[in-house]
Amino acid sequence: KNQVEQSPQSLIILEGKNCTLQCNYTVSPFSNLRWYKQDTGRGPVSLTIMTFSENTKSNGRYTATLDADTKQSSLHITASQLSDSASYICVVRVHSGGYQKVTFGTGTKLQVIP
Amino acid sequence: DGGITQSPKYLFRKEGQNVTLSCEQNLNHDAMYWYRQDPGQGLRLIYYSQIVNDFQKGDIAEGYSVSREKKESFPLTVTSAQKNPTAFYLCASSSETGGTVQPQHFGDGTRLSIL
Repeated sequence: KNQVEQSPQSLIILEGKNCTLQCNYTVSPFSNLRWYKQDTGRGPVSLTIMTFSENTKSNGRYTATLDADTKQSSLHITASQLSDSASYICVVRVHSGGYQKVTFGTGTKLQVIP
Repeated sequence: DGGITQSPKYLFRKEGQNVTLSCEQNLNHDAMYWYRQDPGQGLRLIYYSQIVNDFQKGDIAEGYSVSREKKESFPLTVTSAQKNPTAFYLCASSSETGGTVQPQHFGDGTRLSIL
């Protein structure tokens, strides 16, 4: 079982609608959580990064939330556009003393249709 | 504009052949990474380097080799020992060092296939 699980696996929405993608993690001790957007055939691009003390971070129409107690994060996309069609990847970093590890989720594939 | 350049975009490997994927960055980042991306799986770390002339194995280093002779360059060789090399390979960099920190910038990948 992946320690960073994303849902749904895929999603189709109409242009202009809002959507929310979920990321649940079990890894600890938590250091930070980053959301990436990956267009087909391209490398991921960082959207937001949140540390333990932050519970929300916005980047334009993208808003990420974090609940470190329940180990859940969400990425909300407002007024979706065709260019939002991509995979969205959640990445969690753990850091304790000299030990660090980064774990990638498997991503949510979003398709925005006209 | 600063960024990471990966080449080639598509690469084909014959049986028993070694192939080298190029990764160059002009971000002046100390840390560089190679990841492998397969359908339905999260990115997996192959190798990373925090400084010139030093690199560390990641989670799936077997069948791969790297070098870091220059700060800007971190080439990955897929050797004939890697029996399932078909994947999308991503190079990344970070200004942070100190272990496997999260990459900040990614290249646009090289898709490797077997002939």
